[in-house]
Amino acid sequence: DQQVKQNSPSLSVQEGRISILNCDYTNSMFDYFLWYKKYPAEGPTFLISISSIKDKNEDGRFTVFLNKSAKHLSLHIVPSQPGDSAVYFCAANSGGSNYKLTFGKGTLLTVNP
Amino acid sequence: NAGVTQTPKFQVLKTGQSMTLQCAQDMNHEYMSWYRQDPGMGLRLIHYSVGAGITDQGEVPNGYNVSRSTTEDFPLRLLSAAPSQTSVYFCASSSAWEQYFGPGTRLTVT
Repeated sequence: DQQVKQNSPSLSVQEGRISILNCDYTNSMFDYFLWYKKYPAEGPTFLISISSIKDKNEDGRFTVFLNKSAKHLSLHIVPSQPGDSAVYFCAANSGGSNYKLTFGKGTLLTVNP
Repeated sequence: NAGVTQTPKFQVLKTGQSMTLQCAQDMNHEYMSWYRQDPGMGLRLIHYSVGAGITDQGEVPNGYNVSRSTTEDFPLRLLSAAPSQTSVYFCASSSAWEQYFGPGTRLTVT
């Protein structure tokens, strides 16, 4: 049973426009959420996170929104740049000190010049 | 500061062979973990450790062993490789929610 779902395998946007990547979760015990970015032949790198006590967190061009009642979060990238082209993974944790993460399958974002 | 290092980068094994994937971190992180990434499957947790001498199973532990004798090192052992273990393996470490990943090991089992 997949607890973190990224239902769009791929997304294509024009440079300068907004990219919106979506993530749904089923485990109500999840209370911390992260987005990772991955380029080919590299390890994932941390992008932005949000705690369940917040509904929005912003870092430069990246904003994550959390809707706990819908068990849904989204990552907004504004404006999108060609260098943002990568696979984006949503991840979640159910608390505790083990920092164990459950990842979604990822969404491939392509930003066209 | 090297961060998280993994060796080797690439490996080809025959079915039944054994090998150890090495992972080391120089950030003094207590938490370390191993993931595998398969096409269309995302990252799946194999084993993790919350400190030296403490390990536990993740989502897909079968066929893999780990040990943690030092804070810095967290090797992953394949005792008898199978074609189903063909994958890209990532090691990660953290002291908080943000996990730092190594560059990965691409393993092919024929």
